[in-house]
Amino acid sequence: ETGVTQTPRHLVMGMTNKKSLKCEQHLGHNAMYWYKQSAKKPLELMFVYSLEERVENNSVPSRFSPECPNSSHLFLHLHTLQPEDSALYLCASSQDRLAGGGEQYFGPGTRLTVT
Amino acid sequence: QKEVEQNSGPLSVPEGAIASLNCTYSDRGSQSFFWYRQYSGKSPELIMSIYSNGDKEDGRFTAQLNKASQYVSLLIRDSQPSDSATYLCAGHTGGFKTIFGAGTRLFVKA
Repeated sequence: ETGVTQTPRHLVMGMTNKKSLKCEQHLGHNAMYWYKQSAKKPLELMFVYSLEERVENNSVPSRFSPECPNSSHLFLHLHTLQPEDSALYLCASSQDRLAGGGEQYFGPGTRLTVT
Repeated sequence: QKEVEQNSGPLSVPEGAIASLNCTYSDRGSQSFFWYRQYSGKSPELIMSIYSNGDKEDGRFTAQLNKASQYVSLLIRDSQPSDSATYLCAGHTGGFKTIFGAGTRLFVKA
């Protein structure tokens, strides 16, 4: 595996379900990100982890819960979602938050549909 | 609200022409800027980074930064149909927050 991988690629869930998204980076980076991408809207930063410590939580509803067990893995736990949460969820990683934190490498994304 | 603004397009150019994509930003603290390309149904891919005023060239791509005018641009020379995609401009202030624009759709006609 190379780069940043995400599973599952597609997910349909009901509003009462609990599911998790998984991200793994094989780049040796020290920061990982979750973004939400909705149609015709800018990428919305949700969470950032640096060296497994959460350093950014961008006013995300508590029905989204991140977990970063190590610098290579990132999870997004989902529960009691709303239909407006349907979107593409992207994971990204970067090497250096100061000089290169903007040089991010994205996984393929999980297309989430909440019914 | 710190923002990065882009014209949503679509910008349509003939094959072989120069495509010019523009971006403005509101946060004067932004220090570095990035262009990402996103094909339909795919995730963003970093194509250019620029950290100082002036031009930076990489193959057919040239990024331009003017911090005084808070303006960033991307020029694509000899545009090809394979360049048809949405181009995202992003500004980074240091730390972890990168602000993305909504993107400009580019269509290169064969």
